[in-house]
Amino acid sequence: DAGVIQSPRHEVTEMGQEVTLRCKPISGHDYLFWYRQTMMRGLELLIYFNNNVPIDDSGMPEDRFSAKMPNASFSTLKIQPSEPRDSAVYFCASRRSGGRDEQYFGPGTRLTVT
Amino acid sequence: AQSVAQPEDQVNVAEGNPLTVKCTYSVSGNPYLFWYVQYPNRGLQFLLKYITGDNLVKGSYGFEAEFNKSQTSFHLKKPSALVSDSALYFCAVRGLGGTPLVFGKGTRLSVTA
Repeated sequence: DAGVIQSPRHEVTEMGQEVTLRCKPISGHDYLFWYRQTMMRGLELLIYFNNNVPIDDSGMPEDRFSAKMPNASFSTLKIQPSEPRDSAVYFCASRRSGGRDEQYFGPGTRLTVT
Repeated sequence: AQSVAQPEDQVNVAEGNPLTVKCTYSVSGNPYLFWYVQYPNRGLQFLLKYITGDNLVKGSYGFEAEFNKSQTSFHLKKPSALVSDSALYFCAVRGLGGTPLVFGKGTRLSVTA
């Protein structure tokens, strides 16, 4: 398996622009997670899905952030409008059902908002 | 609510010496415990997990971890450190059901030659 795939790997954008991050989970995994990592705040869970349904979005920082999972093999995290404080590395992770299984992380998208 | 504490921001070890990265947890019920490693500019990689059974769990790259229920700890260990082990290490816990992993702040391990 190719693992969790994220695109783009790097994104540089200007403040106010819309940013869309993409994730393809591992086939057969029915949980998908979006995390954000910064030096100041560490690794934060933003939102997670089970069987394409959002379960908990309490970590989404503001209404500027939205996430969708239209099918089992694709998810997006959108920021509109973007701000410099959104600069971070965004990770997607997936796992199978059953609490014993580990989460597998993608390589991340490094977002820089200028 | 479940939580994880990694009390050390950084651990420094000489190559060839044993290393320990500490982790304590708080969770209702039996915990599922995990260790991940992150190399620069990479995603988190799974190292090992404790679900049930033997308290000593062996994982990738020669790492092992010891589950101690009475001390609510899950320390990561390696008998002989390598310079290539230098990275950021995260401990994580999951409680009941399908809840997401809760991660610690991370501990930066530096192994010097």
